[in-house]
Amino acid sequence: DAMVIQNPRYQVTQFGKPVTLSCSQTLNHNVMYWYQQKSSQAPKLLFHYYDKDFNNEADTPDNFQSRRPNTSFCFLDIRSPGLGDAAMYLCATSRDRGENQPQHFGDGTRLSIL
Amino acid sequence: KNQVEQSPQSLIILEGKNCTLQCNYTVSPFSNLRWYKQDTGRGPVSLTIMTFSENTKSNGRYTATLDADTKQSSLHITASQLSDSASYICVVTNKGATGNQFYFGTGTSLTVIP
Repeated sequence: DAMVIQNPRYQVTQFGKPVTLSCSQTLNHNVMYWYQQKSSQAPKLLFHYYDKDFNNEADTPDNFQSRRPNTSFCFLDIRSPGLGDAAMYLCATSRDRGENQPQHFGDGTRLSIL
Repeated sequence: KNQVEQSPQSLIILEGKNCTLQCNYTVSPFSNLRWYKQDTGRGPVSLTIMTFSENTKSNGRYTATLDADTKQSSLHITASQLSDSASYICVVTNKGATGNQFYFGTGTSLTVIP
């Protein structure tokens, strides 16, 4: 049974048109992460939530925002997608921020920009 | 500079054969090293997590080793199966002042052929 669920699996949007990707989890984990993974590259952490505490990576563009309305859901908003934002977006969770906590990944949303 | 390098970049082996993937890192301070398997179009799945004091850990046919002195890790796959075809990603965790930092390698793409 999927524990970290990302919807949709594939998303197509137009250049400059806002888009929202969603992630839900049934693990009741405190931490939720968003990663961007471009073709043949390693995932790049964009930001994470520890409970309601938002933590942005220093090099995450302002174009990327996130919301976590409750424990189970987290959203990635791209305000004005550019061609360079086409990528796989991965959501992950961990029980807490202990450094040895495993991360559980969803299967990602592949975003295409027209 | 904190980096994780994996080799080889890609590998093709015959079904039933063994193989070893390498991960070298310069991340400091070191908290743990993780190996993930990522099937095409799916999210990464955790195989092992090793802390400083652990030098080997197994998960079925997967055995990871860690030499914290030389900052090297390997992932050994025994009796490979077609379903082992995937990208294998090495991730090193650094517990910094502002939280965990995850340093991803770019992965080794393994193809198992009949």
